[in-house]
Amino acid sequence: GQNIDQPTEMTATEGAIVQINCTYQTSGFNGLFWYQQHAGEAPTFLSYNVLDGLEEKGRFSSFLSRSKGYSYLLLKELQMKDSASYLCAVIVRAAGNKLTFGGGTRVLVKP
Amino acid sequence: DTGVSQNPRHKITKRGQNVTFRCDPISEHNRLYWYRQTLGQGPEFLTYFQNEAQLEKSRLLSDRFSAERPKGSFSTLEIQRTEQGDSAMYLCASSLATGNTEAFFGQGTRLTVV
Repeated sequence: GQNIDQPTEMTATEGAIVQINCTYQTSGFNGLFWYQQHAGEAPTFLSYNVLDGLEEKGRFSSFLSRSKGYSYLLLKELQMKDSASYLCAVIVRAAGNKLTFGGGTRVLVKP
Repeated sequence: DTGVSQNPRHKITKRGQNVTFRCDPISEHNRLYWYRQTLGQGPEFLTYFQNEAQLEKSRLLSDRFSAERPKGSFSTLEIQRTEQGDSAMYLCASSLATGNTEAFFGQGTRLTVV
């Protein structure tokens, strides 16, 4: 099976930077996704990493190290609307590309 | 709007009743997934289809749960003899099987069993 760990909750100030870490243990790793989920809404895609390194998309960046089983999501220039849960999920080969999620990290952005 | 729609958005039912949820995926997506999410947790995989074939079912899916995708388009998830522990958000997602395999989620159906 897969084991995915991420912090439960983080608090940061508007305009600041927050880094959400995710560690995973899995066999047949085939990629890692980050999703954002506002309360009561569907998860929405943020990023996908399958190779080592940093992927940057505007204020959001995601990093992957396959050898360490580690990823992080970096949120820069935080805005109040970034208050949400951030879900780390991995997919494995031969598993129908189903996503296995961590418990999610609630980020609270304060003024 | 991701293009995946789920109905109903909310369902309140009495314990012991049967409920059925529907998911309409993005039309060209051949894979369809069902997940369950409880408050403060990440979504948990329940089952998935490739076209009309149900290829995997989680151990979480007890005998009271059944899912179908009869024509390889929309899917239904039925829960028989609901229990209070079934109260959760039921999420549907769809994706392509090859190429860009990003999964798009619907808004979910929130089930409350009283």
